[in-house]
Amino acid sequence: AQKITQTQPGMFVQEKEAVTLDCTYDTSDQSYGLFWYKQPSSGEMIFLIYQGSYDEQNATEGRYSLNFQKARKSANLVISASQLGDSAMYFCAMREPQKISGGYNKLIFGAGTRLAVHP
Amino acid sequence: DSGVTQTPKHLITATGQRVTLRCSPRSGDLSVYWYQQSLDQGLQFLIQYYNGEERAKGNILERFSAQQFPDLHSELNLSSLELGDSALYFCASSVEGLRGTDTQYFGPGTRLTVL
Repeated sequence: AQKITQTQPGMFVQEKEAVTLDCTYDTSDQSYGLFWYKQPSSGEMIFLIYQGSYDEQNATEGRYSLNFQKARKSANLVISASQLGDSAMYFCAMREPQKISGGYNKLIFGAGTRLAVHP
Repeated sequence: DSGVTQTPKHLITATGQRVTLRCSPRSGDLSVYWYQQSLDQGLQFLIQYYNGEERAKGNILERFSAQQFPDLHSELNLSSLELGDSALYFCASSVEGLRGTDTQYFGPGTRLTVL
């Protein structure tokens, strides 16, 4: 069964420092996508960054980068220069082929990591 | 703002009742997905529609049903509600839903409370 594991229930970081949120995944498929979403206390889910399984370079989006280690099946999110507004829940998710329908469908989410940024 | 809209934002109802949650996808997106977020189960995929047709089913109860209309908006119907159905229900949309690079953008969610 496909699975996403986020082992850090909570993390603390000082403002302006970098932080790494861990994510490991398990899949038998060769083609898959990895996503990170942010959920602030207001509840909405905000897309941050995407990494495809065949992408050779690590994805970057502004202050967000994804440390993708395919052999270790890890896709850690790195937030550089943390800001107070980064305090939120962060979810790692994987999208993989739906073998029956032939398309790519559901996202499988990890349990999330709650990040607190301190001034 | 993701461009996905959901109504209502909050819904409080009693056990045994039926409710309808509505979602309008981003302009141009053909796929709509429904997810449930609860404290004990986390975020779980319920169902996907693509251009009006059901594409994939996840952990959706038989008491729940959904549809996507010709204008591509979608509704999630929850009936015979139980206390355990209290959760945050998200709608997400994507352009096609047929490729691994297709990003799902989430609406603000509907918080359902069953008393």
